Amino acid sequence: ETGVTQTPRHLVMGMTNKKSLKCEQHLGHNAMYWYKQSAKKPLELMFVYSLEERVENNSVPSRFSPECPNSSHLFLHLHTLQPEDSALYLCASRIQGSSTEAFFGQGTRLTVV
Amino acid sequence: DAKTTQPPSMDCAEGRAANLPCNHSTISGNEYVYWYRQIHSQGPQYIIHGLKNNETNEMASLIITEDRKSSTLILPHATLRDTAVYYCIVSGLSNDYKLSFGAGTTVTVRA
Repeated sequence: ETGVTQTPRHLVMGMTNKKSLKCEQHLGHNAMYWYKQSAKKPLELMFVYSLEERVENNSVPSRFSPECPNSSHLFLHLHTLQPEDSALYLCASRIQGSSTEAFFGQGTRLTVV
Repeated sequence: DAKTTQPPSMDCAEGRAANLPCNHSTISGNEYVYWYRQIHSQGPQYIIHGLKNNETNEMASLIITEDRKSSTLILPHATLRDTAVYYCIVSGLSNDYKLSFGAGTTVTVRA
């Protein structure tokens, strides 16, 4: 248990569905991240939020829409996904500007059918 | 854009020390060396990090060479539960301590 909670743990959705992934932490962290890990590939950084503002978007398609309503919560809204978007989606958090470690959630295993 | 080089895989015997090498020859003065591991299909788990000095915690020891161009993570008594992918990551203030993951080293602990 890292203190970063992701829900749901597993999600199956059709290509026309709209769903949201949720990440929550009460560690006092103020930077939050979304990563994508496709099968047998390294983690890819998708989005970075710092002090509730999006500071990085690594060429992620618009069908992925992040939202950070406060420093404790991070969402990833999904719509009209493709089968190749099936992956493990990981959330992480840390203290902005500090060298202390980041903590990861257990991830959401997403399958697009 | 990982700035580290790790062997793709290694085996070690249960109960023995596991020494995982990492090269980071282009590390800059304010960059830290971080180690994480990922057990199959779980989120990465923080192990240890350091800047210049060697570090030890309840999980592992981190040995950083004097020129800081390489480091070794030591798991003192490997168990079967230590089987995982281990990532060595260099990061610092210049990139806001973001973690860029490479392929890591797949460590298999054998009984």
